[in-house]
Amino acid sequence: DIVMTQSPLSLPVTPGEPASISCRSSQSLLYSNGYNYLDWYLQKPGQSPQLLIYLGSNRASGVPDRFSGSGSGTDFTLKISRVEAEDVGIYYCMHTLQIPFTFGQGTKLEIQ
Amino acid sequence: QVQLQESGPGLVKPSETLSLTCTVSGVSISSAQHYWNWVRQSAEKGLEWIGRIYPNGVTDYNPSLKSRVTMSLDTSKNQFSLSLYSVTAADTAVYYCARDAGWVGTATWFDPWGQGTLVIVSS
Repeated sequence: DIVMTQSPLSLPVTPGEPASISCRSSQSLLYSNGYNYLDWYLQKPGQSPQLLIYLGSNRASGVPDRFSGSGSGTDFTLKISRVEAEDVGIYYCMHTLQIPFTFGQGTKLEIQ
Repeated sequence: QVQLQESGPGLVKPSETLSLTCTVSGVSISSAQHYWNWVRQSAEKGLEWIGRIYPNGVTDYNPSLKSRVTMSLDTSKNQFSLSLYSVTAADTAVYYCARDAGWVGTATWFDPWGQGTLVIVSS
C-alpha cells in the first residue's frame, strides 16, 4: 500500500494569515498521463469530508480561490492564502493511483 | 444536485454481518458512469477506503477487507449496499458512501459524500 504522510498534524493559525500543509507519498503519484493522482479533503467539525482539490492542483466547484494545491511526484502542498474562521477542521490528502486508495493521517487546523 | 444518504443498524454484534445501504438522489446510479464508494472512519485507523462498485456490478475492494466484504446495487431503488461479514470491535466506525466524480482516465476523487452513519460492534 502507498503510505501518505502529512505534516504538521496540528496547525494553529491566526485569521488572515497563510497556512500550509504538506503531504508526502511513499511512491510517485504522477501517472503516465501527466496527472498527479492526489486529492485534498476538508472535514469540518461534525461533518463528512468535502472535496477541496483534485488531481493535485484543481479546485473543486465552489472552493474559494484562497485554497491552492501544488506539487508533483511524492511531495504535495495545500496552501490557504488567508485563513478564515470557516476553514477550521481536519485536512486530508488521499491518493487514487492504485488499489487500495489511502489517506493521510489528517492535519487539524485551528484558529488561535 | 447529487445527494447520498447512508442507512442501517447502528449496533451489530460481534461475528455477525454489518449491512448498510446508500440511497442516491439526483442521478441514476445505473446510467451515471461513476463508481460508488464506501469509506469508513475510526479513531484508530482514520479514514479507510473499503471499496467501490461500478454500475455494471464490477467491484474493487481493499485487500485488507476483501475476504469479508461484498458490495451490490439495487438500481430499482437507486441504492448500493455494503455487507461486512464476521465483524469485530475493530470494525466500529463511521461509514460513509461517496460518489466517484473523476473524469480523467482512471483518476478518482470523491464528491459528494453522504453524512455518514455510526456503526458500533458490541454484544
